[in-house]
Amino acid sequence: DGGITQSPKYLFRKEGQNVTLSCEQNLNHDAMYWYRQDPGQGLRLIYYSQIVNDFQKGDIAEGYSVSREKKESFPLTVTSAQKNPTAFYLCASQPALLPHQPQHFGDGTRLSIL
Amino acid sequence: KQEVTQIPAALSVPEGENLVLNCSFTDSAIYNLQWFRQDPGKGLTSLLLIQSSQREQTSGRLNASLDKSSGRSTLYIAASQPGDSATYLCAVGGSQGNLIFGKGTKLSVKP
Repeated sequence: DGGITQSPKYLFRKEGQNVTLSCEQNLNHDAMYWYRQDPGQGLRLIYYSQIVNDFQKGDIAEGYSVSREKKESFPLTVTSAQKNPTAFYLCASQPALLPHQPQHFGDGTRLSIL
Repeated sequence: KQEVTQIPAALSVPEGENLVLNCSFTDSAIYNLQWFRQDPGKGLTSLLLIQSSQREQTSGRLNASLDKSSGRSTLYIAASQPGDSATYLCAVGGSQGNLIFGKGTKLSVKP
């Protein structure tokens, strides 16, 4: 079955620690996105990538970093510079920048502070 | 800066009722508009996508409309069922493919 796999489902971070969230897709999609969701809030864009080896900052990129070395993978690192990392993180992908193509989402990773 | 607002924030209806969820946006220069469903602790499921040149889309009991000039979209759910209980999110698409989301409407359909 084609889809987007996010791991782990739950993640805990200690003070001063960097953690990496995994996002893998087997849909052969060009574009991939990372969103953050806080309780009672809409999703906010962290980073996105339209092609391998290229990515752009979204609205709330500070304290996060990404890489896109392979088409199917778009890992997100939450660095120690992100002072309020507790949130639900969602990865999405899209076939191409065409107006009739919806974004597909993974099941998310919930990050908490120890 | 584009802002998306969804009203109401929460809605509770008896089973079988028809209902309308509202979404408004401040900048009419959108690429498309999407409606998603989110179950607790889960990711988003795409329900309907309306391109900027379209007026409405239908899928089963769901119908979404788009009025770009007034900055509004509605999601109509016919004959609601308890399984429809979820949070419904509206998102407008920009030219880079990024989505700008509203905060959602939490729907509860009571048997």
